[in-house]
Amino acid sequence: GENVEQHPSTLSVQEGDSAVIKCTYSDSASNYFPWYKQELGKRPQLIIDIRSNVGEKKDQRIAVTLNKTAKHFSLHITETQPEDSAVYFCAASNTGFQKLVFGTGTRLLVSP
Amino acid sequence: EAQVTQNPRYLITVTGKKLTVTCSQNMNHEYMSWYRQDPGLGLRQIYYSMNVEVTDKGDVPEGYKVSRKEKRNFPLILESPSPNQTSLYFCASSRGINSPLHFGNGTRLTVT
Repeated sequence: GENVEQHPSTLSVQEGDSAVIKCTYSDSASNYFPWYKQELGKRPQLIIDIRSNVGEKKDQRIAVTLNKTAKHFSLHITETQPEDSAVYFCAASNTGFQKLVFGTGTRLLVSP
Repeated sequence: EAQVTQNPRYLITVTGKKLTVTCSQNMNHEYMSWYRQDPGLGLRQIYYSMNVEVTDKGDVPEGYKVSRKEKRNFPLILESPSPNQTSLYFCASSRGINSPLHFGNGTRLTVT
């Protein structure tokens, strides 16, 4: 089955810096890669997703890149702000396998 | 308002006392799933359902049951709770396995 590894487990940056979170997946048939943000005490919420027919997707300060050959995808946050502090989860799924598997999460702390 | 509603938000119970956590969505989603969240382990899938009367095991199904008699409801049943089931539980729904998940607000369960 699919296995998703996420690194780092914790990431501390200064406000205004960029942050990068990386995930690798094991199943080459996986074709959907969402990212969720979970603020303290809240539910996870989708912030961006990418499908296997696209290499990069951007939404304001957030971008996701996908390298299908290497089976890894990354979340990039530019000009970080204190409100970006949260736990971020990557995930991978494929229609045939009918499973969505999450990484173990990255706690991002943005210091003013 | 489109939402996934879980109840209760907090639950403290004793070992062996059967309990049910309810989950309901108003978005006519076909796919529903239960996750448990534990520190350092991320979101692990317990059970999922692709449609009415169709359920399947996730990665950690032991000690849990589910049912999908109606499209909108997907209750999680713990027939004989044990302390190792103390966790934060999330219900989620989506249009399909490769679509964004909408999470409920979570249920924090403590089994003593």
